[in-house]
Amino acid sequence: QKEVEQNSGPLSVPEGAIASLNCTYSDRGSQSFFWYRQYSGKSPELIMFIYSNGDKEDGRFTAQLNKASQYVSLLIRDSQPSDSATYLCAAPPRGMNRDDKIIFGKGTRLHILP
Amino acid sequence: DTGVSQDPRHKITKRGQNVTFRCDPISEHNRLYWYRQTLGQGPEFLTYFQNEAQLEKSRLLSDRFSAERPKGSFSTLEIQRTEQGDSAMYLCASSGTSEQETQYFGPGTRLLVL
Repeated sequence: QKEVEQNSGPLSVPEGAIASLNCTYSDRGSQSFFWYRQYSGKSPELIMFIYSNGDKEDGRFTAQLNKASQYVSLLIRDSQPSDSATYLCAAPPRGMNRDDKIIFGKGTRLHILP
Repeated sequence: DTGVSQDPRHKITKRGQNVTFRCDPISEHNRLYWYRQTLGQGPEFLTYFQNEAQLEKSRLLSDRFSAERPKGSFSTLEIQRTEQGDSAMYLCASSGTSEQETQYFGPGTRLLVL
Protein backbone atom coordinates (compact mmCIF):
# COMPACT_ATOMS: atom_id res chain seq x y z
CA GLN A 1 0.00 0.00 0.00
CA LYS A 2 1.61 3.20 -1.17
CA GLU A 3 1.43 6.03 1.35
CA VAL A 4 2.17 9.72 1.30
CA GLU A 5 2.50 11.36 4.68
CA GLN A 6 2.25 15.03 5.61
CA ASN A 7 2.04 16.93 8.86
CA SER A 8 -1.47 18.32 9.01
CA GLY A 9 -0.38 21.57 10.68
CA PRO A 10 -1.40 24.30 10.92
CA LEU A 11 1.98 25.73 10.06
CA SER A 12 2.14 29.43 10.90
CA VAL A 13 4.74 31.56 9.14
CA PRO A 14 5.24 35.35 9.32
CA GLU A 15 4.65 37.27 6.14
CA GLY A 16 7.85 37.60 4.13
CA ALA A 17 9.50 34.53 5.68
CA ILE A 18 10.17 31.16 4.06
CA ALA A 19 7.49 28.50 4.49
CA SER A 20 8.77 24.93 4.42
CA LEU A 21 6.37 22.06 3.79
CA ASN A 22 7.45 18.44 3.97
CA CYS A 23 6.16 15.14 2.66
CA THR A 24 7.44 11.58 3.02
CA TYR A 25 6.47 8.59 0.92
CA SER A 26 6.64 4.86 1.33
CA ASP A 27 7.02 3.61 -2.25
CA ARG A 28 10.67 3.62 -3.24
CA GLY A 29 9.60 3.20 -6.84
CA SER A 30 7.83 6.56 -6.95
CA GLN A 31 9.60 8.66 -9.53
CA SER A 32 7.82 11.97 -9.40
CA PHE A 33 5.66 14.15 -7.21
CA PHE A 34 3.14 16.92 -7.42
CA TRP A 35 2.38 19.73 -5.06
CA TYR A 36 -1.17 21.04 -5.15
CA ARG A 37 -2.53 24.09 -3.37
CA GLN A 38 -6.10 24.01 -2.14
CA TYR A 39 -7.96 27.00 -0.79
CA SER A 40 -10.80 26.35 1.60
CA GLY A 41 -13.88 25.15 -0.26
CA LYS A 42 -12.07 25.02 -3.59
CA SER A 43 -10.56 22.18 -5.61
CA PRO A 44 -6.81 21.47 -5.70
CA GLU A 45 -4.67 23.37 -8.21
CA LEU A 46 -1.29 22.18 -9.40
CA ILE A 47 1.63 24.41 -8.44
CA MET A 48 4.75 22.26 -8.83
CA PHE A 49 5.87 18.99 -10.35
CA ILE A 50 9.26 17.39 -9.70
CA TYR A 51 10.81 14.15 -10.93
CA SER A 52 14.56 14.60 -10.51
CA ASN A 53 16.60 14.55 -7.35
CA GLY A 54 17.51 18.02 -6.23
CA ASP A 55 15.73 21.33 -6.51
CA LYS A 56 13.26 22.74 -8.99
CA GLU A 57 12.44 26.43 -8.83
CA ASP A 58 9.43 28.27 -10.19
CA GLY A 59 9.06 31.85 -9.05
CA ARG A 60 8.73 31.93 -5.27
CA PHE A 61 8.30 28.15 -5.12
CA THR A 62 11.09 25.58 -4.85
CA ALA A 63 10.41 21.86 -4.76
CA GLN A 64 13.08 19.55 -3.38
CA LEU A 65 13.20 15.80 -3.95
CA ASN A 66 15.45 13.37 -2.09
CA LYS A 67 14.77 9.86 -3.37
CA ALA A 68 17.30 8.22 -1.07
CA SER A 69 15.54 9.58 2.01
CA GLN A 70 12.09 9.36 0.42
CA TYR A 71 11.01 12.88 1.10
CA VAL A 72 9.89 15.79 -0.96
CA SER A 73 9.52 19.36 0.24
CA LEU A 74 8.09 22.65 -0.95
CA LEU A 75 9.63 25.98 -0.01
CA ILE A 76 7.72 29.21 -0.44
CA ARG A 77 9.89 32.31 -0.33
CA ASP A 78 8.63 35.75 0.63
CA SER A 79 5.41 34.26 1.97
CA GLN A 80 2.25 36.24 1.28
CA PRO A 81 -1.14 36.10 3.01
CA SER A 82 -2.52 34.73 -0.27
CA ASP A 83 -0.32 31.67 0.23
CA SER A 84 -2.49 30.64 3.17
CA ALA A 85 -4.03 27.36 2.02
CA THR A 86 -3.71 23.61 2.36
CA TYR A 87 -0.84 22.11 0.41
CA LEU A 88 -1.25 18.56 -0.84
CA CYS A 89 1.64 16.32 -1.78
CA ALA A 90 0.80 13.64 -4.35
CA ALA A 91 2.57 10.74 -6.05
CA PRO A 92 1.21 10.12 -9.54
CA PRO A 93 0.81 6.74 -11.23
CA ARG A 94 4.00 5.23 -12.55
CA GLY A 95 2.48 3.71 -15.63
CA MET A 96 -0.70 2.33 -17.10
CA ASN A 97 -1.11 -0.64 -14.80
CA ARG A 98 -4.49 -1.25 -13.25
CA ASP A 99 -3.17 -0.55 -9.77
CA ASP A 100 -1.64 2.78 -10.64
CA LYS A 101 -3.41 5.82 -9.32
CA ILE A 102 -2.35 9.09 -7.80
CA ILE A 103 -1.90 8.96 -4.04
CA PHE A 104 -2.53 12.12 -2.04
CA GLY A 105 -1.32 13.08 1.38
CA LYS A 106 -3.84 14.59 3.76
CA GLY A 107 -2.36 18.03 3.25
CA THR A 108 -0.63 20.62 5.43
CA ARG A 109 -2.52 23.77 6.39
CA LEU A 110 -0.34 26.84 6.00
CA HIS A 111 -1.22 30.12 7.64
CA ILE A 112 0.75 33.24 6.75
CA LEU A 113 0.66 35.78 9.56
CA PRO A 114 0.32 39.40 8.34
CA ASP B 1 -10.17 27.56 -14.65
CA THR B 2 -8.43 24.29 -15.54
CA GLY B 3 -10.79 23.37 -18.35
CA VAL B 4 -12.47 20.61 -16.34
CA SER B 5 -16.07 21.42 -15.52
CA GLN B 6 -18.47 19.81 -13.09
CA ASP B 7 -22.20 20.12 -12.66
CA PRO B 8 -23.90 20.87 -10.37
CA ARG B 9 -21.57 22.81 -8.09
CA HIS B 10 -23.78 22.22 -5.08
CA LYS B 11 -26.41 19.63 -4.30
CA ILE B 12 -28.62 19.28 -1.24
CA THR B 13 -30.69 16.15 -1.01
CA LYS B 14 -32.63 14.13 1.49
CA ARG B 15 -31.40 10.80 2.74
CA GLY B 16 -32.54 7.97 0.50
CA GLN B 17 -32.67 10.00 -2.70
CA ASN B 18 -30.52 9.35 -5.76
CA VAL B 19 -28.13 11.98 -7.10
CA THR B 20 -26.11 12.21 -10.30
CA PHE B 21 -23.10 14.39 -10.98
CA ARG B 22 -21.50 15.21 -14.30
CA CYS B 23 -17.88 15.89 -15.23
CA ASP B 24 -16.59 17.24 -18.54
CA PRO B 25 -12.81 16.72 -18.79
CA ILE B 26 -10.27 18.59 -20.87
CA SER B 27 -11.12 17.43 -24.38
CA GLU B 28 -7.80 15.83 -25.30
CA HIS B 29 -7.46 13.99 -21.98
CA ASN B 30 -8.32 10.30 -22.08
CA ARG B 31 -8.04 9.59 -18.34
CA LEU B 32 -10.78 10.74 -16.01
CA TYR B 33 -10.82 10.33 -12.22
CA TRP B 34 -13.40 10.71 -9.49
CA TYR B 35 -12.42 11.55 -5.92
CA ARG B 36 -14.26 12.29 -2.71
CA GLN B 37 -12.91 14.74 -0.19
CA THR B 38 -14.10 15.43 3.33
CA LEU B 39 -12.97 18.21 5.64
CA GLY B 40 -9.35 17.92 6.70
CA GLN B 41 -8.57 15.02 4.40
CA GLY B 42 -6.84 14.73 1.07
CA PRO B 43 -8.80 13.59 -1.98
CA GLU B 44 -9.83 9.94 -1.69
CA PHE B 45 -9.72 7.96 -4.91
CA LEU B 46 -13.05 6.50 -6.06
CA THR B 47 -12.61 5.33 -9.64
CA TYR B 48 -10.99 6.12 -12.95
CA PHE B 49 -11.52 5.69 -16.67
CA GLN B 50 -9.18 5.30 -19.59
CA ASN B 51 -11.36 6.47 -22.45
CA GLU B 52 -14.69 4.68 -21.89
CA ALA B 53 -13.21 1.78 -19.89
CA GLN B 54 -13.52 1.88 -16.12
CA LEU B 55 -10.12 0.52 -15.08
CA GLU B 56 -10.40 0.62 -11.35
CA LYS B 57 -12.96 1.14 -8.65
CA SER B 58 -11.95 1.69 -5.05
CA ARG B 59 -12.86 -1.03 -2.60
CA LEU B 60 -14.14 1.76 -0.38
CA LEU B 61 -16.88 2.42 -2.88
CA SER B 62 -20.13 0.70 -2.03
CA ASP B 63 -22.52 -0.75 -4.56
CA ARG B 64 -24.61 2.39 -4.24
CA PHE B 65 -22.03 4.24 -6.30
CA SER B 66 -21.74 3.84 -10.05
CA ALA B 67 -19.85 5.77 -12.67
CA GLU B 68 -20.02 5.82 -16.43
CA ARG B 69 -18.15 7.36 -19.29
CA PRO B 70 -20.14 6.07 -22.24
CA LYS B 71 -18.37 7.78 -25.13
CA GLY B 72 -15.02 8.40 -23.54
CA SER B 73 -15.78 12.07 -23.06
CA PHE B 74 -17.95 13.28 -20.15
CA SER B 75 -18.57 11.08 -17.14
CA THR B 76 -21.39 10.73 -14.62
CA LEU B 77 -21.23 9.59 -11.01
CA GLU B 78 -24.47 8.36 -9.48
CA ILE B 79 -25.11 7.73 -5.81
CA GLN B 80 -28.22 5.73 -5.04
CA ARG B 81 -30.08 5.80 -1.72
CA THR B 82 -27.86 8.55 -0.35
CA GLU B 83 -26.76 8.47 3.28
CA GLN B 84 -25.59 11.30 5.51
CA GLY B 85 -22.07 9.89 5.35
CA ASP B 86 -22.04 10.59 1.61
CA SER B 87 -21.87 14.32 2.32
CA ALA B 88 -18.57 15.48 0.85
CA MET B 89 -16.95 17.31 -2.03
CA TYR B 90 -16.86 15.14 -5.15
CA LEU B 91 -13.94 16.03 -7.38
CA CYS B 92 -13.31 15.09 -10.96
CA ALA B 93 -9.88 15.28 -12.59
CA SER B 94 -8.54 14.49 -16.03
CA SER B 95 -5.13 13.76 -17.47
CA GLY B 96 -3.34 12.39 -20.46
CA THR B 97 -1.49 9.09 -20.38
CA SER B 98 2.10 10.30 -20.62
CA GLU B 99 4.60 8.98 -18.08
CA GLN B 100 4.60 12.15 -16.00
CA GLU B 101 0.94 12.91 -16.17
CA THR B 102 -0.62 15.84 -14.37
CA GLN B 103 -4.18 15.66 -13.13
CA TYR B 104 -6.23 18.80 -13.52
CA PHE B 105 -9.16 19.14 -11.20
CA GLY B 106 -12.61 20.50 -11.79
CA PRO B 107 -14.27 22.84 -9.27
CA GLY B 108 -16.02 19.97 -7.53
CA THR B 109 -19.60 19.21 -6.55
CA ARG B 110 -20.41 19.74 -2.90
CA LEU B 111 -23.04 17.27 -1.71
CA LEU B 112 -25.01 17.68 1.48
CA VAL B 113 -27.31 14.85 2.51
CA LEU B 114 -29.89 15.85 5.11
